[in-house]
Amino acid sequence: QEQLVESGGGLVEAGGSLRLSCAASGFTFSDYYMSWIRQAPGKGLEWVSDISSGSPHTRYADSVKGRFTISRDNAKNSLSLQMNSLRAEDTAVYFCARVTGQNAFDIWGQGTMVTVSS
Amino acid sequence: QSALTQPASVSGSPGQSITISCTGTSSDVGRYNSVSWYQRHPGKAPKLMIYEVSNRPSGVSNRFSGSKSGNTASLTISGLQAEDEADYYCSSYTGSSNLLYVFGSGTKVTVL
Repeated sequence: QEQLVESGGGLVEAGGSLRLSCAASGFTFSDYYMSWIRQAPGKGLEWVSDISSGSPHTRYADSVKGRFTISRDNAKNSLSLQMNSLRAEDTAVYFCARVTGQNAFDIWGQGTMVTVSS
Repeated sequence: QSALTQPASVSGSPGQSITISCTGTSSDVGRYNSVSWYQRHPGKAPKLMIYEVSNRPSGVSNRFSGSKSGNTASLTISGLQAEDEADYYCSSYTGSSNLLYVFGSGTKVTVL
């Protein structure tokens, strides 16, 4: 069964850091681009970042560029998001998702909540 | 790049058909066929319902269909069922690395 499971969310003060993880199983993780997508309370979905399958090429939304770092460990089937200099507006449920060749997100984790207190 | 525009809510009776619109620009929806739709029930992970404008992943009911005209994409749910009550989001690839994918604001579908 293809599955993604996020962990690492929690409550942090503004200016602090948090590292999210996403464990993949049931598919060949190294074959796929992966993304982080978030949803703030009462808001829509927002793409945050993605990383290529091989020699990692990374891209970020302007809202997090310079503060967040996406990485992956294909040997451990793991995706990470290091979040620094957190702001109140980063409060959201963070999802990891698998990216298809057709630029869609076909597998999602259940999400992990990040709350940044100001 | 702004979020794609969706109606906040759409409702219908069981068995009816409803259509959700998703309006973008010539830089996203109008430029690429990488438009997808997601269903999200409260507290659950989003589920891919449509990709590449009109393709259904394996396992998704054929009651769900997608289309696009110009800068507007649409999701139609036919034969509305109680289990279809959820939030629906559209998404488009933009090709712009500073916001590679843009999502819609979301539409709450209510089955009356």
